[in-house]
Amino acid sequence: GQSLEQPSEVTAVEGAIVQINCTYQTSGFYGLSWYQQHDGGAPTFLSYNGLDGLEETGRFSSFLSRSDSYGYLLLQELQMKDSASYFCAVINTDKLIFGTGTRLQVFP
Amino acid sequence: ETGVTQTPRHLVMGMTNKKSLKCEQHLGHNAMYWYKQSAKKPLELMFVYSLEERVENNSVPSRFSPECPNSSHLFLHLHTLQPEDSALYLCASSPSPQGAVGYTFGSGTRLTVV
Repeated sequence: GQSLEQPSEVTAVEGAIVQINCTYQTSGFYGLSWYQQHDGGAPTFLSYNGLDGLEETGRFSSFLSRSDSYGYLLLQELQMKDSASYFCAVINTDKLIFGTGTRLQVFP
Repeated sequence: ETGVTQTPRHLVMGMTNKKSLKCEQHLGHNAMYWYKQSAKKPLELMFVYSLEERVENNSVPSRFSPECPNSSHLFLHLHTLQPEDSALYLCASSPSPQGAVGYTFGSGTRLTVV
């Protein structure tokens, strides 16, 4: 079967650093993506890791270890607008399989 | 707007009704998808279309019927739904089914079945 595990909720304060972990079990793995979804909004693409290592895009970084079937999203210098749900998603041949999502709440 | 437009944004329907959800993209993408998002559950892939051909039907009940008349439009026809079908239905598109570049999602249709 296929499964992705991520924490259901994370809280932090403005300016802090947060790491959201994702472990997966799947066949036909091509890469790991991360999406952000604000309440009432569309999921939006944040990052993609096809190879092991760290990818950095501004305040957000994403990491993948294929041997450990593990990845994480790192959010730095947190802002109130980062309060949202974050989903890891495995690219499996011709489709995306999503995790259950992590709700991040940023407090002042 | 994300480039993928879904209508209607909200829909309330009875179990005996027939309705359709519409999705439109003008991003030049070749693949389109329907996902279902329920509370406390992962986004569930329902259908995949690549170049207007259905390439995936993820064991979806026949009361959901997709249609892709061209590469820019995708429909989801609904009939005799159940209350447990109430959810957010999201449409997405990508340049190809191997979506490393990233899917572009619409804002969804919030469906309530009464």
